[in-house]
Amino acid sequence: GENVEQHPSTLSVQEGDSAVIKCTYSDSASNYFPWYKQELGKGPQLIIDIRSNVGEKKDQRIAVTLNKTAKHFSLHITETQPEDSAVYFCAASSTGGTSYGKLTFGQGTILTVHP
Amino acid sequence: DAGVIQSPRHEVTEMGQEVTLRCKPISGHNSLFWYRQTMMRGLELLIYFNNNVPIDDSGMPEDRFSAKMPNASFSTLKIQPSEPRDSAVYFCASSLGRLAGVRDTQYFGPGTRLTVL
Repeated sequence: GENVEQHPSTLSVQEGDSAVIKCTYSDSASNYFPWYKQELGKGPQLIIDIRSNVGEKKDQRIAVTLNKTAKHFSLHITETQPEDSAVYFCAASSTGGTSYGKLTFGQGTILTVHP
Repeated sequence: DAGVIQSPRHEVTEMGQEVTLRCKPISGHNSLFWYRQTMMRGLELLIYFNNNVPIDDSGMPEDRFSAKMPNASFSTLKIQPSEPRDSAVYFCASSLGRLAGVRDTQYFGPGTRLTVL
């Protein structure tokens, strides 16, 4: 089955700096890579996603890059703000076979943005 | 849309008791997922359904756990008997399923925090 590794486990930055979180996956059949943000006491919420036929995607201050050859993808947050502080999860899934839609999550990164 | 609805939000019970967690997926979604989140193990997929049929229950930890989806708008996760190591936050998520194609986004509920004493 799929295995997703996420680094770092904690990340502390100053407001206005950039933050980068990296993930690697093992299953070459994976073709969908969402990123979730989880705030305290809430469920994970999708913030951005990328499909395997795209190398990069941006949405305002958030961007995701994908390297299929190396099987890794990254989340980039620019001009960080205190409200970006949360736990971020990467995930991977495949639309093939019986595992359709089954997400495998990374271990999570606790991002703290200091004012 | 109200999003995924879970109840109760908090449950405190004693070891050996039966616990039932409930989930109402987003209307029109065909896939439903139950996850467990702990500090030690992160987010674990327990079971998921497609069109009310269980597709993969390989994540269910043991026979004490069972899940049902009697119709498209309701699912339950039952633990009987409960044990202290079952203490965790349990999330339900739903998605469009195959109708969405590759970009099959899962939407999570607010979770149920379970404490077994």
